[in-house]
Amino acid sequence: AQTVTQSQPEMSVQEAETVTLSCTYDTSESDYYLFWYKQPPSRQMILVIRQEAYKQQNATENRFSVNFQKAAKSFSLKISDSQLGDAAMYFCAYRSGIQGAQKLVFGQGTRLTINP
Amino acid sequence: KAGVTQTPRYLIKTRGQQVTLSCSPISGHRSVSWYQQTPGQGLQFLFEYFSETQRNKGNFPGRFSGRQFSNSRSEMNVSTLELGDSALYLCASRAGANQPQHFGDGTRLSIL
Repeated sequence: AQTVTQSQPEMSVQEAETVTLSCTYDTSESDYYLFWYKQPPSRQMILVIRQEAYKQQNATENRFSVNFQKAAKSFSLKISDSQLGDAAMYFCAYRSGIQGAQKLVFGQGTRLTINP
Repeated sequence: KAGVTQTPRYLIKTRGQQVTLSCSPISGHRSVSWYQQTPGQGLQFLFEYFSETQRNKGNFPGRFSGRQFSNSRSEMNVSTLELGDSALYLCASRAGANQPQHFGDGTRLSIL
């Protein structure tokens, strides 16, 4: 079974600085997807960024980028120019690439605080 | 385009009762999944429906069940509620096989 581990329960960063959230995963599959979701106090889980395992290029979405190390099974999220609105729980998630698979396996989450 | 809609937003029940939660996916999305979120266990997969058929099921007791209607709307039912069923229940839908899941705001279920 696949597992996802986020080793940092909490992190804080000064506004406008850069922060990196860590995620490691365990799988025997070669085809899969990785995601970072953000959950603010409003509760809605919002997709931040996704990465297909077969792509070597790291995904980027505006101020958010990932460092995907397939051999090390590592998938960290970098947030540049942190903003107050980035404060939330961040979850790393894995999904198998098997046709029809929809189940997401989540890490325990990292609570990110932005200090003004 | 409207997002995933879950109703009700909050529910309070007592032990032994049953409850039904509703989820309307994004228009055009035929796949719906349910997750349970608790402080202790985190986010856990309950089940997934596609075209009215359950395709995958997580490791939950038979008290947890669901269904999907022809318009892709889904319901989940929990019978004989226990205190440990108190959680945020999240529904997600997606457009296709390789598309990401989009989540609703969840239903907060409290068991007294």
